[in-house]
Amino acid sequence: TQLLEQSPQFLSIQEGENLTVYCNSSSVFSSLQWYRQEPGEGPVLLVTVVTGGEVKKLKRLTFQFGDARKDSSLHITAAQPGDTGLYLCAGAGGNEKLTFGTGTRLTIIP
Amino acid sequence: GAVVSQHPSWVICKSGTSVKIECRSLDFQATTMFWYRQFPKQSLMLMATSNEGSKATYEQGVEKDKFLINHASLTLSTLTVTSAHPEDSSFYICSASDRGRGLYEQYFGPGTRLTVT
Repeated sequence: TQLLEQSPQFLSIQEGENLTVYCNSSSVFSSLQWYRQEPGEGPVLLVTVVTGGEVKKLKRLTFQFGDARKDSSLHITAAQPGDTGLYLCAGAGGNEKLTFGTGTRLTIIP
Repeated sequence: GAVVSQHPSWVICKSGTSVKIECRSLDFQATTMFWYRQFPKQSLMLMATSNEGSKATYEQGVEKDKFLINHASLTLSTLTVTSAHPEDSSFYICSASDRGRGLYEQYFGPGTRLTVT
């Protein structure tokens, strides 16, 4: 069974600070997605990383896929209250089924 | 693009009744649709995978006779919770993927909150 552990589980920081969320597994994934979910809504796809070592930037968000395609990180620069939400990583193992991470609940304090 | 809708967004039903939830891909053809359940403050738990025109594949521990899934077209899948009980109360979310994109990305609906009284 593929497992994706996210850390930290909870994070509460002041507006303007930087943060990093980690997504780790012992399994290799063909691709990895990051989603953000707000209360009472479905997850929204932020990015997909495919190649080991790949780095993608989405405004203040930087996503990295590990060289071995077993782990990933999400770095947010100058966090804003609008970044508040549940961040989920999800790995694809070669078919359409995704394995979701345990989630990181981020709160940005104005 | 890649918009998925769900209906209803919330429903309250009495114990013993059945509830049907619809999931539609609005601007693409979904070769595969997925149904998830999410408990408060937790991650998503996959319930089943459905492909158009074939039987759904259920995850271990999910009762297929209780959670009936029909994927009649490339844009519509339905989940029917039969003989609902209070423990079935949860947030149900569907997602759809387009195999043609080749990246196994899933696009999620807004979710349906089911409350069984």
